[in-house]
Formats: sequence, structure tokens, C-alpha cells
Amino acid sequence: GQNIDQPTEMTATEGAIVQINCTYQTSGFNGLFWYQQHAGEAPTFLSYNVLDGLEEKGRFSSFLSRSKGYSYLLLKELQMKDSASYLCAVTNTNAGKSTFGDGTTLTVKP
Amino acid sequence: GAGVSQSPRYKVAKRGQDVALRCDPISGHVSLFWYQQALGQGPEFLTYFQNEAQLDKSGLPSDRFFAERPEGSVSTLKIQRTQQEDSAVYLCASSLASRSSYEQYFGPGTRLTVT
Repeated sequence: GQNIDQPTEMTATEGAIVQINCTYQTSGFNGLFWYQQHAGEAPTFLSYNVLDGLEEKGRFSSFLSRSKGYSYLLLKELQMKDSASYLCAVTNTNAGKSTFGDGTTLTVKP
Repeated sequence: GAGVSQSPRYKVAKRGQDVALRCDPISGHVSLFWYQQALGQGPEFLTYFQNEAQLDKSGLPSDRFFAERPEGSVSTLKIQRTQQEDSAVYLCASSLASRSSYEQYFGPGTRLTVT
């Protein structure tokens, strides 16, 4: 089976940097996704990692260590609109079936 | 461009009623997923289609839940004899191809409330 852990809540200040961690235990691994979900809306794709290392995309970066079962999402230059839930999802089959964590609710304060 | 659409957006059902939830994926997307999301939790996998074939239905919570995608595009999730524990948001997602590296595009969801 799959087990994915993320912190439930985090708070950060506008303009700062925040790191959201995700640890996972899986019976197989075919990639890790990060999604952003604003309250009452659908999740939207942020990043995908399948190899170890850091992937950078604008203000958002995602890191993966397969040997440690660990990933993080780094958000720089935080903006108020970044207040949302951030979901870590692991795929363990070639077909792309994903198991999601419960999400980390990030609150950005002025 | 057109994204994934779902209807209805909101559904209130009395306990014991049957409901049907519709998903229109992005045109040409091969893979289609259904998830159930309870308040404060992440989406929970229900079932997966590759074109019209239902390849994985391991997440369906009981035999009251049934999904189909007869022509490989539109999909319907049917819940028979709804129970209060079925109250949740039902998300549909589609993906361009049947590979894990392809991101999933989510619809806005159907919020089901069973009274």
C-alpha cells in the first residue's frame, strides 16, 4: 500500500520562502506530483519529479530523494494568492494512478 | 480552451436515492480517473479508465458504486442507494496518455450531500 505524510498546516509571511515536506512509503514508485488546490476548486498541477534532484519552475521548485522517500515543494517570494492547500501525490504504476496525501494548508499573511 | 467539466456541480440526494455524476474529459485524453474527496482530506482514488476499458476499480468503496465510459470519452459515476457517508466532492481527472509522467487535469467536482 501507500502511506503519504505532509504537515497539516503552515503559515508564512508575504515575500518569504516556505518549504512543504512530503514523505512517502510505497510498494512501487513511478513519480511524484505536487498539486495546488484553492478552497472549493479543483487541484491544479505544479510539478512532477521522477528522478532525484531539484526541478525549478519560476517561484516554485520541487525536490525528490527516492532513497529517502522524501520530497519538498519550495515556494519563493510568497504572494497572498499562494494561500491554498498543497497536495503531494505518488504514482506507483505506469498507468498514472495516484495516491494523494491529505494536503498542507498554507496561509500567507501580510 | 475547454477543460474537464463535471455536472451537476452540486447534488442533494435523500438517503436511498440513486445519483449519476457526469464527467466530460478534455478531448483526446486517453486516461480518466474518478476520485472522492472528503472535507480536509486529499482526493481518494476510486477508479480508472484507459479509453473505454475500466482497468482499475479497486477504490470503489462498495458495490453500490459503478462507473462507465462506454465510448472512451464521457464517463458517468453512479451511486445506488446513497448513504450519508457518500457525502463528499467527487472529482474527475483526465490525462493525455496512459503514462505516469502525464499530469492529471481535474474538473471542478460534484459536491454530493446525502440527507
